[in-house]
Amino acid sequence: EAGVVQSPRYKIIEKKQPVAFWCNPISGHNTLYWYLQNLGQGPELLIRYENEEAVDDSQLPKDRFSAERLKGVDSTLKIQPAELGDSAVYLCASSPKGTSDGGEQFFGPGTRLTVL
Amino acid sequence: GQQLNQSPQSMFIQEGEDVSMNCTSSSIFNTWLWYKQDPGEGPVLLIALYKAGELTSNGRLTAQFGITRKDSFLNISASIPSDVGIYFCAGQPRGYQKVTFGTGTKLQVIP
Repeated sequence: EAGVVQSPRYKIIEKKQPVAFWCNPISGHNTLYWYLQNLGQGPELLIRYENEEAVDDSQLPKDRFSAERLKGVDSTLKIQPAELGDSAVYLCASSPKGTSDGGEQFFGPGTRLTVL
Repeated sequence: GQQLNQSPQSMFIQEGEDVSMNCTSSSIFNTWLWYKQDPGEGPVLLIALYKAGELTSNGRLTAQFGITRKDSFLNISASIPSDVGIYFCAGQPRGYQKVTFGTGTKLQVIP
C-alpha cells in the first residue's frame, strides 16, 4: 500500500512569491491534515479535512495561506505571498478513522520550504 | 501554538543501553501517542495509548499512559544504532481530532 505522497520534496523561493504544496493521502483515508514543522520543534496543525470539508482551520493564517481538497482526496496548500518566516517543513498526514478519534495519523515525507 | 514539554531535549547513549524519556502536559488527554522521525522524513507512529495507566509494548519500546492523564513515558531497551532519531510525544483530548505534539527528544546512539 502506498503511503502519503507529497510534492515537491524541496522548494526554494524568494519572498513575496507564491508557492503550492500537493498531498495525496493513503487510499480510503477520509481525514487529511496539513502541519507546519519548524526546525527543532514538533508538528503544528494548520488545517484538518474530513473528506472535502475543512473542519478545523483555526491555526491557518488565512491572510496568506489557503488550502483545498475539492474532491475529498488529494489536497493543495498554498502560500501567497511567502515570507521569510514561512521557511519550514510542511507535512501532510492522513487518517482512516472518523471524528471520534484520529490519533493514528500517517505522515508523508514533507516539503521543505526555504524562503530567501 | 501549544506544544507539550518533553525531556530530555537530547541524549547521547551507548549502544545496548536503555533509554527513558517523558512528556508532560498542562491539559488532560484521552490519547497519548509516540512517534519517531528520521531526518528528511515524516513522523512514524510507534505506540498509541488509550487508557490511563496503560502500559504498551512494541518490540523493545514500552510506553505508559500516566495516571494523571497529563503525562506519558517512553522506554527503549537495549538501544541499537537505528534507534537514532527524534522522538515526539503527542496528546489528543476527548472527542476532538486535534493532536498536540511535544517538542521532541533527539536520540543519538554511539556504537
